[in-house]
Amino acid sequence: DTGVSQDPRHKITKRGQNVTFRCDPISEHNRLYWYRQTLGQGPEFLTYFQNEAQLEKSRLLSDRFSAERPKGSFSTLEIQRTEQGDSAMYLCASERGATGELFFGEGSRLTVL
Amino acid sequence: RKEVEQDPGPFNVPEGATVAFNCTYSNSASQSFFWYRQDCRKEPKLLMSVYSSGNEDGRFTAQLNRASQYISLLIRDSKLSDSATYLCVVNRPGSTLGRLYFGRGTQLTVWP
Repeated sequence: DTGVSQDPRHKITKRGQNVTFRCDPISEHNRLYWYRQTLGQGPEFLTYFQNEAQLEKSRLLSDRFSAERPKGSFSTLEIQRTEQGDSAMYLCASERGATGELFFGEGSRLTVL
Repeated sequence: RKEVEQDPGPFNVPEGATVAFNCTYSNSASQSFFWYRQDCRKEPKLLMSVYSSGNEDGRFTAQLNRASQYISLLIRDSKLSDSATYLCVVNRPGSTLGRLYFGRGTQLTVWP
């Protein structure tokens, strides 16, 4: 399977714990995005990388959120001191060039108890 | 005001019906427009780009009205497999193309 893969698919954690999600984009895609989606809403932009450089970060991304993309390949999204409001589906997408066609992974669903 | 506004529906139509979804966007400087489709509990996938002159892909027709800041998607001869949520997507001007704003989606159910 050469699509975008995300891990873990599901994560249940207690409030205050840290969680990390991993995204492996399509190999020839240099752009990588993180979005968050809650029930009944469209995906909300969180952050974006071109190769290893993090070029944009939404105001939605508080100081508890950090994303990295070392070596311009896979990316991680870490949430520290999770809160119940962080419960959502975290979607990763990659793009080759600037076509506007994002290829999404199946997402990592976070539940904070 | 949200960047992209969509009627969430749901739209329930019989097979063979024609259905139209509308979307408005707030920033007149937006340049790129798309429709994505999202099946229940699945990831969004690009359905089609929306060009200034309007474009058609089989049973799907997309239209853009820049003056009214309005985008539409028309589905003709609806199939059961068209049941999904349709997301209107607009880029953020002055940003990288990938900074796309998604509407909340319009839910479509096609019944036999």
